[in-house]
Formats: sequence, structure tokens, C-alpha cells
Amino acid sequence: GAVVSQHPSRVICKSGTSVKIECRSLDFQATTMFWYRQFPKQSLMLMATSNEGSKATYEQGVEKDKFLINHASLTLSTLTVTSAHPEDSSFYICSARPGQGLGAKNIQYFGAGTRLSVL
Amino acid sequence: QKEVEQNSGPLSVPEGAIASLNCTYSDRGSQSFFWYRQYSGKSPELIMFIYSNGDKEDGRFTAQLNKASQYVSLLIRDSQPSDSATYLCAVRSNDYKLSFGAGTTVTVRA
Repeated sequence: GAVVSQHPSRVICKSGTSVKIECRSLDFQATTMFWYRQFPKQSLMLMATSNEGSKATYEQGVEKDKFLINHASLTLSTLTVTSAHPEDSSFYICSARPGQGLGAKNIQYFGAGTRLSVL
Repeated sequence: QKEVEQNSGPLSVPEGAIASLNCTYSDRGSQSFFWYRQYSGKSPELIMFIYSNGDKEDGRFTAQLNKASQYVSLLIRDSQPSDSATYLCAVRSNDYKLSFGAGTTVTVRA
């Protein structure tokens, strides 16, 4: 099966600090990785789309200087929340889309999510 | 206008009954449709995907797609307490982005 590892699972930090979240596809190469944010009782909202070796594409309303995305290889993407504030507290989830194989390239496989709490 | 709409629920069904979930979407050009299940505090897990009009069955789950009506549904047969979760409908655009509905919360009463 397709496994996407996301780390850390939970972060508690002080306001003003930066937090890095890693997303790895363990058994496939991910052409594209996606970063979502989910607030309590709400659905997933796409923040940005990340393709290996190129700049991420951010959705409207998402600050690219605050949410830095790096997709350095076909198996790793990172999201850095810079100068985090309490309003950034949320559940951040990554997903990865296989470039080939695994039967259906259309499917996104999700990481377990990172719960960020900014004090 | 929301791109993907679902009834938020909660939908409460007795154990062993059929749970019926509905989803409508606005982009007539959408090609791929997905149902995810999300337990509280966890990330979504894929249940089924469907591309063609009609029904697609996988175990106790059946997805139904009607592109003319821009409607996709999920039936859960023989509902179990472990099926209690939020079910997310997602629609894929041409650039592989997924748009999610708000989710329907299902509670299966033992």
C-alpha cells in the first residue's frame, strides 16, 4: 500500500517561533504533494500544491511568506510555519499523489496530520 | 457558491441499517469523485473513488455517480458502530486538486 509519513504528529510552541512539518512518501515517488489545514468542525482547506523541484503554488488567501514549502525530492516535502501565532493553531495534513504505478495516479494518500498548538 | 456541498448531519442510523450520504458539486467538468472517512482527530482515509456514471460497489460500500445531475452518493450497508465518523466527499479538478465538502457526521447506534 501507499504510505505517507508525516512528522511530528503534535507540536506545542510559543508564539513567534517557527515550526517545520515533514511529509514523506515511503514507498512511492510523489509527483505532487498537497498541504491542507483543518480547523475544528470544518473541512479540509487546500493551502498549497507542491511539485518537486519547483515553487509551490498557494491558494488564494494563504500567505506564502508565512507558510514556506519546500519539495526537495520526490519523496519529501516540508511546510514551515514561520513566526507562528495562536490563530495558526490548526490540524495540518499533507497528501501525496503518485507519479506512476499504484494503479491510480489520481488518488491522494494522506499523512496522519500534525496538530499545531501555538500558545 | 460552494464547490462541493454535503449535508452536515448528524446522520444517526441503527446498527445493521443502511446509511445514505449525498454530495453535489458545481463544476460540471469534474471527472473524479472520492469518498473519505475521517475519525475524530485523525486524517482522512480513502473509502472509494468513482469516475463513471452508475454504481460502484466495494464490500459494504456503494458509490453512485450521476454526472448529469452533478450528484454523487455513498451507501453504507449493514452499518456498524465502527462506521461512526465524518464522511468527506471530494471532487478532483483537472490540476489534480481536491475540493472537499464540509463532511457528514454519521453515528451508528448499537
